[in-house]
Amino acid sequence: EAGVVQSPRYKIIEKKQPVAFWCNPISGHNTLYWYRQNLGQGPELLIRYENEEAVDDSQLPKDRFSAERLKGVDSTLKIQPAELGDSAVYLCASSSMGGPYNEQFFGPGTRLTVL
Amino acid sequence: AQSVAQPEDQVNVAEGNPLTVKCTYSVSGNPYLFWYVQYPNRGLQFLLKYITGDNLVKGSYGFEAEFNKSQTSFHLKKPSALVSDSALYFCAVSSIGGATNKLIFGTGTLLAVQP
Repeated sequence: EAGVVQSPRYKIIEKKQPVAFWCNPISGHNTLYWYRQNLGQGPELLIRYENEEAVDDSQLPKDRFSAERLKGVDSTLKIQPAELGDSAVYLCASSSMGGPYNEQFFGPGTRLTVL
Repeated sequence: AQSVAQPEDQVNVAEGNPLTVKCTYSVSGNPYLFWYVQYPNRGLQFLLKYITGDNLVKGSYGFEAEFNKSQTSFHLKKPSALVSDSALYFCAVSSIGGATNKLIFGTGTLLAVQP
């Protein structure tokens, strides 16, 4: 079974530039998560989707971040414009269901560096 | 509010010796507890979880964890460490209901197993 796929793996941009990350979850997984992991920290949830619906985006900085999950499969996370503090690893995860007791399967992440 | 504490930034152990990685948690309801492992340049991998029932949970690669409700702990253990166990370990907690229906991660513990 293929795992969660993310691209690109690395991205270096200058501040104020836009950037986008793509995620393809495990086939059949209805729940998709985007996390941000700062250096030396655990992942922090940005947004959670149940199929196409964003059911928890309370931690997403909506002034510059946006996300979409068209057709309930692939998802894209965008930052526009990027700031120096956005440098982090952006992780995508999926699970078969969104309950708090279901394990999540993580992709390798996209390491973003903002100069 | 939910929180997870991993009091040790790093744990050093000799190969063949038993290892323990500590985790304590705080939630308002019944906790669901998880351990994940992160290898360099790879996403988090699920190791094990506690939902209910037997306090001793067995997981992947010979790891186990013991849920202790009175001490609000969920320490990760392995009877005999391998060099290949060297990685970053994250404890995480979730619980049912509203804004708490999300996974909260600790800051991680780096496990270094010396040959």
